[in-house]
Amino acid sequence: GAGVSQSPSNKVTEKGKDVELRCDPISGHTALYWYRQSLGQGLEFLIYFQGNSAPDKSGLPSDRFSAERTGGSVSTLTIQRTQQEDSAVYLCASSETSTVGYTFGSGTRLTVV
Amino acid sequence: EDQVTQSPEALRLQEGESSSLNCSYTVSGLRGLFWYRQDPGKGPEFLFTLYSAGEEKEKERLKATLTKKESFLHITAPKPEDSATYLCAVPQGGSEKLVFGKGTKLTVNP
Repeated sequence: GAGVSQSPSNKVTEKGKDVELRCDPISGHTALYWYRQSLGQGLEFLIYFQGNSAPDKSGLPSDRFSAERTGGSVSTLTIQRTQQEDSAVYLCASSETSTVGYTFGSGTRLTVV
Repeated sequence: EDQVTQSPEALRLQEGESSSLNCSYTVSGLRGLFWYRQDPGKGPEFLFTLYSAGEEKEKERLKATLTKKESFLHITAPKPEDSATYLCAVPQGGSEKLVFGKGTKLTVNP
């Protein structure tokens, strides 16, 4: 597609439930990133995929968070046993091979009630 | 620890009133400084990358400059459509992940 597509755009879930957030990057982009943006905070790095290399998971805040990227394309971020502090906008970005020209999706706004 | 600090947090301008936004950074071995624009409800939109002190880049009413410790985003004769949050970021250490500042929310009144 022409841009990075994320779904759903909004998600309201009950505390303790699991959620899956999807990211469809720009075709041909080998690098894919997940960031989290909380109210009043800057963007917080979560995880980075580059081609077939092992992902950089250093930003995942707890073991409740996991992500996978299938076939070098679509990625899914999973949050298990959601907590209220997980409420944020989750942004996905892709790029060709470097940080030049990251293209972000519009994000998924997650609200945990 | 790599850090990015943006100031001011918020800026209100009248249409046509030029000003500058600041981004100061501490990082070992700068491999680029990135400016993004973010509109409400949208993801950040890439504006510029600067790689070395003294470099300048322009796009319409925006000009970004870089020194060894900070970057400025100059806005000349802004229009209401320039209202947005402007973010700067630097790659962290030797990795590909970006460290973002908290942004400057710019409001341009007609």
